[in-house]
Amino acid sequence: AQRVTQPEKLLSVFKGAPVELKCNYSYSGSPELFWYVQYSRQRLQLLLRHISRESIKGFTADLNKGETSFHLKKPFAQEEDSAMYYCALSGPRPQGAQKLVFGQGTRLTINP
Amino acid sequence: GAGVSQTPSNKVTEKGKYVELRCDPISGHTALYWYRQSLGQGPEFLIYFQGTGAADDSGLPNDRFFAVRPEGSVSTLKIQRTERGDSAVYLCASSPGAYNEQFFGPGTRLTVL
Repeated sequence: AQRVTQPEKLLSVFKGAPVELKCNYSYSGSPELFWYVQYSRQRLQLLLRHISRESIKGFTADLNKGETSFHLKKPFAQEEDSAMYYCALSGPRPQGAQKLVFGQGTRLTINP
Repeated sequence: GAGVSQTPSNKVTEKGKYVELRCDPISGHTALYWYRQSLGQGPEFLIYFQGTGAADDSGLPNDRFFAVRPEGSVSTLKIQRTERGDSAVYLCASSPGAYNEQFFGPGTRLTVL
């Protein structure tokens, strides 16, 4: 079964401190992994995807197939990073569309 | 340009009633998705359209739920005989193709009393 687990519903860190949002998944195969973010009063938007290997707004995420994890990291948190973060997966191409399976989300709060 | 839009933004209905939720995707996007987000949960996939056809409706919870996209653009999610458990935010997303980034709408908050 496809499943995404985000063990922390809430995470609070101080500005300037490192941030790590945990994501573990179960999937029989090689999924594509994503992080989505929802800022206050805004719509859900893509933050990054593992196949791009990009760093967006200082965030990075490494896919660890051995541990089936895709943790999101940022070395120095900023107040504007406060938001709801969702980890998601989809099946590998070309098997159908990118039907996304989401985790429950982690609400990140950056304290000044 | 304009993003994905959804109407209404809020819908309150009584148990047993019929509701329709509308999604206007980004112009030119061929793929359209519906998700449902219950309180405290992440979005849950309902159905995916490629053009006019439903390519994957495996997420529809039961036969009270139905969606159409007759002209390959606007989509309508239809819920018959609503139940209190249907209360959630219904999200629509569109993308240029099946493997591209999905762009989400603001959602419709459905409350069934």
